[in-house]
Amino acid sequence: NAGVMQNPRHLVRRRGQEARLRCSPMKGHSHVYWYRQLPEEGLKFMVYLQKENIIDESGMPKERFSAEFPKEGPSILRIQQVVRGDSAAYFCASSLFRGSTDEQYFGPGTRLTVT
Amino acid sequence: AQSVSQHNHHVILSEAASLELGCNYSYGGTVNLFWYVQYPGQHLQLLLKYFSGDPLVKGIKGFEAEFIKSKFSFNLRKPSVQWSDTAEYFCAVISSTTSGTYKYIFGTGTRLKVLA
Repeated sequence: NAGVMQNPRHLVRRRGQEARLRCSPMKGHSHVYWYRQLPEEGLKFMVYLQKENIIDESGMPKERFSAEFPKEGPSILRIQQVVRGDSAAYFCASSLFRGSTDEQYFGPGTRLTVT
Repeated sequence: AQSVSQHNHHVILSEAASLELGCNYSYGGTVNLFWYVQYPGQHLQLLLKYFSGDPLVKGIKGFEAEFIKSKFSFNLRKPSVQWSDTAEYFCAVISSTTSGTYKYIFGTGTRLKVLA
């Protein structure tokens, strides 16, 4: 059973370009979470999605960031018009159920560098 | 706002030394607590978790953590570290949201370096 997959592992974008980060949850998992890790900071929750639905996006910046989890295919985190401050590691996690005791399984992360 | 504090950002130990990493959370209700580890170049892996019951929790690779409710703490310990324990360690608490969902709140992490 493959774990959570993320691609690309490393992504370099120039300021103003778009970044698309992909996450395939573990098989059978329908709950996906995105986190951002800035240098010297912990993981910050961004958004929680189920298939075709955004459940909680309280951690998402109001502009330029969007996320989706379509019925078919991976979850996508999209960052439009990237700026240097978007440089970070972005982690995706998935869980089987939704609840306060559900372990989240993490992917290897995508390291975004904005030049 | 709920938060998780890890006071030690960088720890350097020699092999066989004992380890204790601090974790404090700010939340007055029921908490579910986790420790994750991230080895260099790898993804986060669960070390151990506490939901209820015995406040001393045993995890993988000889790690344990003690939940002390009165101190809002969940410190991670290992009696004798190995070089292979070099990694970054994250404490996390599951927090309920106003919309009825749950989300992890992570500490800033502690980078442990074990010298051979």
